Amino acid sequence: GENVGLHLPTLSVQEGDNSIINCAYSNSASDYFIWYKQESGKGPQFIIDIRSNMDKRQGQRVTVLLNKTVKHLSLQIAATQPGDSAVYFCAENMGSGAGSYQLTFGKGTKLSVIP
Amino acid sequence: SQTIHQWPATLVQPVGSPLSLECTVEGTSNPNLYWYRQAAGRGLQLLFYSIGIDQISSEVPQNLSASRPQDRQFILSSKKLLLSDSGFYLCAWSVRNEQFFGPGTRLTVL
Repeated sequence: GENVGLHLPTLSVQEGDNSIINCAYSNSASDYFIWYKQESGKGPQFIIDIRSNMDKRQGQRVTVLLNKTVKHLSLQIAATQPGDSAVYFCAENMGSGAGSYQLTFGKGTKLSVIP
Repeated sequence: SQTIHQWPATLVQPVGSPLSLECTVEGTSNPNLYWYRQAAGRGLQLLFYSIGIDQISSEVPQNLSASRPQDRQFILSSKKLLLSDSGFYLCAWSVRNEQFFGPGTRLTVL
């Protein structure tokens, strides 16, 4: 589960470069994963998701990679822009049809884009 | 389309005062509803979730409580606030796997 006692790690990237944000998840039985973006003072926004039967999924400028062997998830942002500056959270779904569909969130990574 | 509302957007309350934060969802029926707290610079902590009216599960023991009097209304309450209750409170809804978040309420307890 999430450790709420740690401050967020930070990634600084030059504008135009690619960003890679990593996440380690905890439960090998998780079958659904989401990346969220949270700008300062706002609620998290859905970016992209991936199911455990996939290794890679692409969106607009974003790619999510899933390595189930090592329980690792990554978010790649191409041509990073100043508007990408935010905190990024990964989340895993460990719900099992009980109707609750709970997500467990990672601790987040703060992405700072240098103009 | 679905929308989620939270109010108030910001709140400053003295220690020991009561609390009521409201969350409503539009455009969907029988959603799962969630309350999270986020301390400054930290991740999301699930406080409560609900799979239906008057069905509330608590994840963390605390002096907060939640209620769901209507299908698309979720309320977070406290009888007496503590300093440690300060934070950013987020409501979320889901029907399948994805959760969609509201704009949040910034609570400061002085």
